[in-house]
Amino acid sequence: NAGVTQTPKFRILKIGQSMTLQCTQDMNHNYMYWYRQDPGMGLKLIYYSVGAGITDKGEVPNGYNVSRSTTEDFPLRLELAAPSQTSVYFCASRFPQGRESGANVLTFGAGSRLTVL
Amino acid sequence: AQKVTQAQTEISVVEKEDVTLDCVYETRDTTYYLFWYKQPPSGELVFLIRRNSFDEQNEISGRYSWNFQKSTSSFNFTITASQVVDSAVYFCALSEAQRGNKLVFGAGTILRVKS
Repeated sequence: NAGVTQTPKFRILKIGQSMTLQCTQDMNHNYMYWYRQDPGMGLKLIYYSVGAGITDKGEVPNGYNVSRSTTEDFPLRLELAAPSQTSVYFCASRFPQGRESGANVLTFGAGSRLTVL
Repeated sequence: AQKVTQAQTEISVVEKEDVTLDCVYETRDTTYYLFWYKQPPSGELVFLIRRNSFDEQNEISGRYSWNFQKSTSSFNFTITASQVVDSAVYFCALSEAQRGNKLVFGAGTILRVKS
């Protein structure tokens, strides 16, 4: 049981390049999220998905796109990378909310550190 | 709108001291969920505790304890007899039942425990 797997762990991009951060989970979680964490800051929600085929914007979606064609995968695409997108990106997943123990708890990936120069 | 405030940016204590991390939240929902996560220097995010809005029972787990008070919209976290390994960034987070299931984080509190 791998949990949430993110690739790559590190990446350096030039301004204007594009790339996709991959996220896969093997827990059959319906909900998946992408957060970014800037140095010394908390986590900001970029996009989230409540199931295959359904995505929605978070607090800071500009410059990013997502898709959710399967339950397992939730890739994050950066188009025309900018220095402001230098950050650590975390993917997370969970079951729907509920009162039972363990519900709502996000499981996070290890993070992807992206630098745009 | 949902909001989480962690007013303490950074706290430094000496080993074995007790330390309390503050968290104040704002929400319009009557059903919501509060969380604490720990981020050690290695960078991963570790889940510590979840509390439902309808369960105000406070909890103690080893050296950790949590104080949830709906009347003051606070969900504070105390570490008793702190240890160097407790040094990390601690995040408080809120999820509203009616707001698309988004988890909103506070800015985090850096805890430094010195030996």
